Amino acid sequence: GAVVSQHPSWVICKSGTSVKIECRSLDFQATTMFWYRQFPKQSLMLMATSNEGSKATYEQGVEKDKFLINHASLTLSTLTVTSAHPEDSSFYICSARASEPYEQYFGPGTRLTVT
Amino acid sequence: GQNIDQPTEMTATEGAIVQINCTYQTSGFNGLFWYQQHAGEAPTFLSYNVLDGLEEKGRFSSFLSRSKGYSYLLLKELQMKDSASYLCAVMDSNYQLIWGAGTKLIIKP
Repeated sequence: GAVVSQHPSWVICKSGTSVKIECRSLDFQATTMFWYRQFPKQSLMLMATSNEGSKATYEQGVEKDKFLINHASLTLSTLTVTSAHPEDSSFYICSARASEPYEQYFGPGTRLTVT
Repeated sequence: GQNIDQPTEMTATEGAIVQINCTYQTSGFNGLFWYQQHAGEAPTFLSYNVLDGLEEKGRFSSFLSRSKGYSYLLLKELQMKDSASYLCAVMDSNYQLIWGAGTKLIIKP
């Protein structure tokens, strides 16, 4: 299957700082990338969808100025959590999808802890 | 509205067979996916059904009935490592995935 990498796999940062998470599709071109957040023992929650070269589409309730998404190429998307607070601590997972077939392949996730 | 229903939790015995059901109501249909998610890890792709019928892949099989809005994931010869959450997701008319809440499968020796 297709491979999606995510970096870093875990990060600890201080409240008020910003953190950037990278998501790369290693062996296919991802026309669409998705960013999810998952709190312990809860379902995946879609944060935003981004198409290469376009602005991301954010889900209701997700602050676009706080969670900056850039999808500059067909293999790379980044999520920047700006001015992070402890309540932003979560497991952030990206997934990537080619134009066809439609399977989404997930990165391994990034565990963010804000102290 | 759009809705995906699957049981919250199931328990089965090592070596046995378990069937995890998923029913859905969505705006359009472009396929149904099953993913496996171990605790603390990201989901991994298991199967994709877009036509009615059964798709078999090793110990795992997935069935779809579009007219009934119904799918199941069948796991045979259960192993302890199959303990995980199993997520059902439907791709709607906008090619967006609508996720179920997941079924936590507990395997007992």
